[in-house]
Amino acid sequence: GAVVSQHPSWVICKSGTSVKIECRSLDFQATTMFWYRQFPKQSLMLMATSNEGSKATYEQGVEKDKFLINHASLTLSTLTVTSAHPEDSSFYICSATLNVGGISNQPQHFGDGTRLSIL
Amino acid sequence: KQEVTQIPAALSVPEGENLVLNCSFTDSAIYNLQWFRQDPGKGLTSLLLIQSSQREQTSGRLNASLDKSSGRSTLYIAASQPGDSATYLCAVKGYQKVTFGTGTKLQVIP
Repeated sequence: GAVVSQHPSWVICKSGTSVKIECRSLDFQATTMFWYRQFPKQSLMLMATSNEGSKATYEQGVEKDKFLINHASLTLSTLTVTSAHPEDSSFYICSATLNVGGISNQPQHFGDGTRLSIL
Repeated sequence: KQEVTQIPAALSVPEGENLVLNCSFTDSAIYNLQWFRQDPGKGLTSLLLIQSSQREQTSGRLNASLDKSSGRSTLYIAASQPGDSATYLCAVKGYQKVTFGTGTKLQVIP
C-alpha cells in the first residue's frame, strides 16, 4: 500500500487563488520531505527540501514567497501555491524519506501527485 | 552539480523482447540509485533501489545494475509486455538531494 499520501490529486481554480497541497507519510516518520514539479513530457525538477521543524531549502530559481512550504510534524508537509497564475499549472509531487544518523540511504517514497490547473 | 542522463529518450519494441535502459550520472558520490516507472498523468512507482555499495538488484523480470565509478546504471527488462509501457526514470541520491534523469519512454507493441 501507499506509504505517502498526497492530497488533493487534482485541483482546478481561478487565477489569484492560493492552493494548499498536503503530503503525509502514513507509516513512518519522515524527517525530510521533498517537493517536485513536473512539466508535460519532462522529468521531475526538485523545488525544495523540507526538514521537520526548520525552514525549507529552495532550489535556485524557485520563489520561496510563491511556494510556501511548511513541515510542522514528522508526518505532514504542505506546499501552498500563493496567488496562483496559469503559469503555475503543473504536476506537483512530494516524496518522503527517513534520515538515519543525519544521512540517508533510504529510498524515496512518492505521493501520487497533484495536478494543478489555474484558469 | 549532479546531472543525470537517460538514453534512449524513447524506445519502441515488440512484445517479448528483452531490453536495456541506460542511466548515467556525473557525480559518483551517491548514496543510492532508484529506478521508477511513471504512467501518464500518474505519480511514481518505485521499481528497484540499489545502494552505493551494491552492484545489482533484481525483482521479477527486472534487473538493475550499478557501476558507481563509471557513473552508470542499467535497467534490464526481460520478456517485455505491453503493460511495461510507461516512462522509466532513474534517480540518484546525493547528500539529502535526489536528482532525476530525463526519462525513457517505453512502448511495448503487442
